[in-house]
Amino acid sequence: KNEVEQSPQNLTAQEGEFITINCSYSVGISALHWLQQHPGGGIVSLFMLSSGKKKHGRLIATINIQEKHSSLHITASHPRDSAVYICAVRSNSGGGADGLTFGKGTHLIIQP
Amino acid sequence: DAGITQSPRHKVTETGTPVTLRCHQTENHRYMYWYRQDPGHGLRLIHYSYGVKDTDKGEVSDGYSVSRSKTEDFLLTLESATSSQTSVYFCAIRSSVRVGIYGYTFGSGTRLTVV
Repeated sequence: KNEVEQSPQNLTAQEGEFITINCSYSVGISALHWLQQHPGGGIVSLFMLSSGKKKHGRLIATINIQEKHSSLHITASHPRDSAVYICAVRSNSGGGADGLTFGKGTHLIIQP
Repeated sequence: DAGITQSPRHKVTETGTPVTLRCHQTENHRYMYWYRQDPGHGLRLIHYSYGVKDTDKGEVSDGYSVSRSKTEDFLLTLESATSSQTSVYFCAIRSSVRVGIYGYTFGSGTRLTVV
């Protein structure tokens, strides 16, 4: 069974700090997704990774396929970055739902 | 954004009543999913569909049924709602990015309370 573990579960930081959220998984994957969910809001896709690194504005996502690990970094954090960040993976075993397995999320609060 | 809408956004219902949630997409994607989100759990798959009239169970399918009579609509039905089905329900669609790599777009969610 594929397990997706995120750390930390909760993170409170001051505006401007560099933020790192980690995700580890237990099986081979075809892709890893980072998602963002604001309080009471929908789920938005931030990144999809199958290798290497991606950057979008102040957000950077990296993945190490050999170590089964990914990180999401936020530079110059801002209160509007406060949200739940969710890691999700799609197994490369094929068949079945071809859906995603999700971590429990990291609840990030950025204080002004 | 792929056009995906869920209705209703909020619903309060009584134990034992049937409830149907609707997911509507405008871009003809083949795969559609229903997930539930609960505190302390990641999103969990209830049912999914891979085409008109083609559906299958996910990991938490007990007490739920689905139907897909048209490509654009995927309905989730709670035959007899229970308090344990109080949750936030998300619909998602899968789109192909390249061979073997897929993107997922989520609806805005339906907050269901069973009293």
